[in-house]
Amino acid sequence: QSALTQPASVSGSPGQSITISCTGTSSDVGSYNLVSWYQQYPGKAPKLIIYEGTKRPSGVSNRFSGSKSGNAASLTISGLQAEDEADYHCCSYAGSSTWVFGGGTKLTVL
Amino acid sequence: EVQMVESGGGLVQPGGSLRLSCAASGFIFSSYGMSWVRQVPGKGLEWVSYISSNSRNIYYADSVKGRFTVSRDNANNSLFLQMNSLRVDDTAAYYCARVWVAFDIWGQGTVVTVSS
Repeated sequence: QSALTQPASVSGSPGQSITISCTGTSSDVGSYNLVSWYQQYPGKAPKLIIYEGTKRPSGVSNRFSGSKSGNAASLTISGLQAEDEADYHCCSYAGSSTWVFGGGTKLTVL
Repeated sequence: EVQMVESGGGLVQPGGSLRLSCAASGFIFSSYGMSWVRQVPGKGLEWVSYISSNSRNIYYADSVKGRFTVSRDNANNSLFLQMNSLRVDDTAAYYCARVWVAFDIWGQGTVVTVSS
């Protein structure tokens, strides 16, 4: 149950696009199409923004998109806005009803 | 409105016990698996446990196995986490989360502090 690897921080200017990577193993990310991404503001609960690697829940902006290749997944935020400044966490199903999260990435909008 | 509200957190000494509760509303609680996820302040999320809709399947992270017990009461739309033999590194915010193909609904969290 080793954590997925995410960069500690990323930054971008308003209007730009940024990508957050999430690297796992063949036992989690590489084995299942069940990568999810969560947005979390300080002091608040996480919010699901991407599930099954690429799908957005109802109400989530289409500026958020996800992808997966092999043992790695990524979250792209296009048209960066000030309100996107938050922590982002990736998560993968790891089999037998267990899950593994990444260490989280702090996004700063410059 | 779909929501979940945790309670039961607090300050406890190392080696002590605590029981967390999560009250669910706005959805058919008995139809969903549920999980507990925790977060050390300033750190990432950590999956802690999972219980299936009918309580037949239960799983734990290695870090809590043998010390924590998850249970649920479908008649009262409630989820529980009994935490025994608490350690300083169990200090965290604990969230209950509904399990769909992801953790789609989260409670607001309850803080557990283990300190002497």
